Amino acid sequence: DIQMTQSPSSVSASVGDRVTITCRASQGISSWLAWYQQKPGKAPKLLIYAASSLQSGVPSRFSGSGSGTDFTLTISSLQPEDFATYYCQQANSFLALTFGGGTKVEIK
Amino acid sequence: EVQLVQSGAEVKKPGESLKISCKGSGYSFTSYWIGWVRQMPGKGLEWMGIIYPGDSDTRYSPSFQGQVTISADKSISTAYLQWSSLKASDTAMYYCARLFAYSSSWYFDYWGQGTLVTVSS
Repeated sequence: DIQMTQSPSSVSASVGDRVTITCRASQGISSWLAWYQQKPGKAPKLLIYAASSLQSGVPSRFSGSGSGTDFTLTISSLQPEDFATYYCQQANSFLALTFGGGTKVEIK
Repeated sequence: EVQLVQSGAEVKKPGESLKISCKGSGYSFTSYWIGWVRQMPGKGLEWMGIIYPGDSDTRYSPSFQGQVTISADKSISTAYLQWSSLKASDTAMYYCARLFAYSSSWYFDYWGQGTLVTVSS
């Protein structure tokens, strides 16, 4: 099975900061990766698919990059509503849609 | 508008059975895979399995194979997740989500609101 490892597990940042989260796959997954945002008590929300494609309605301050085994999610200027937990998910294998462990973005 | 509406919270005792539901609307229910995702208290997301309501083709994560049963009734646009004998370790929030395909890759684009299952004696 493909394992997904996110780092860091948590990050403290201020409004306006640039935040970068990393996700590493245990084997190559081309560009088949998604990023989700989850706020407390809410269902996850798809932000980015295919590593860099922004889901409809998602603000442009969110961006994704990477291919193969290494991927990043960048929030260019952190807003108050962005404090949440972020998960990556490998989408290469239809039979194993594995999530990363999550990265919590907290207020500094 | 695409919506997935899940059944309400459940409190059960160990050994009891349970079936929770996920009703889709606003799209062709039989044309998209539906997945189930577990989130244990304070933990991350775990993919459990998926079903194609069009023909009930079902696939399970190895971690959940034999532990749960996923089914669907396309006549009422509803997917189900069921347990025959609950354990305390089944206590979690369970989400259903629609899978969309993009160039041979798969993403959860719409999610239900979640069903909290609490198993306690």
